[in-house]
Amino acid sequence: DQQVKQNSPSLSVQEGRISILNCDYTNSMFDYFLWYKKYPAEGPTFLISISSIKDKNEDGRFTVFLNKSAKHLSLHIVPSQPGDSAVYFCAASALTNAGGTSYGKLTFGQGTILTVHP
Amino acid sequence: GAVVSQHPSWVICKSGTSVKIECRSLDFQATTMFWYRQFPKQSLMLMATSNEGSKATYEQGVEKDKFLINHASLTLSTLTVTSAHPEDSSFYICSASLQLDQPQHFGDGTRLSIL
Repeated sequence: DQQVKQNSPSLSVQEGRISILNCDYTNSMFDYFLWYKKYPAEGPTFLISISSIKDKNEDGRFTVFLNKSAKHLSLHIVPSQPGDSAVYFCAASALTNAGGTSYGKLTFGQGTILTVHP
Repeated sequence: GAVVSQHPSWVICKSGTSVKIECRSLDFQATTMFWYRQFPKQSLMLMATSNEGSKATYEQGVEKDKFLINHASLTLSTLTVTSAHPEDSSFYICSASLQLDQPQHFGDGTRLSIL
């Protein structure tokens, strides 16, 4: 059962334009969401996170939006740069509603390959 | 801050060999670390939660006797793949966070290839 889904395997964007990466989740217990960027043969790099008490969080060129009713989050990158080309993973965690050994565990989506063309 | 180091980055060994992978938090103490596995073109799958000074918690389907985890100090967790076979070939990644309600930071991963 895939609790976190990224339905777009890939996305191609022109440099300077906006990149929008989407993520859906099914577990209503999730209350903390993160986006990671990953290059091949490297570990994921943390980009930005959002708590379920917010619907938007912004950090420089990166903005994450959360729609709890739709169980949907998205990452906006603007303006997109060629160096942003990588695999992007969304991840979710249940903090408030998890206890014991479940606390802090991350569930990842399948990833979206972003390619930004010069 | 929050740097996680993983060693080795690449291992090639014969079937039946045991392989140890180290995960260190370089500039912070981590009472909890996490071990993930990623197969080609797939997502990261949590294998186990490593708890300092106590037994690891394994996810369903992960053999605890196959994947031994030791978290002997607040800055070091090790994953030992015992009697490795070709099907254990994968990309293993560890993570840690300053606090569990803060983002996890990942090591660079270990590419394990069993011949």
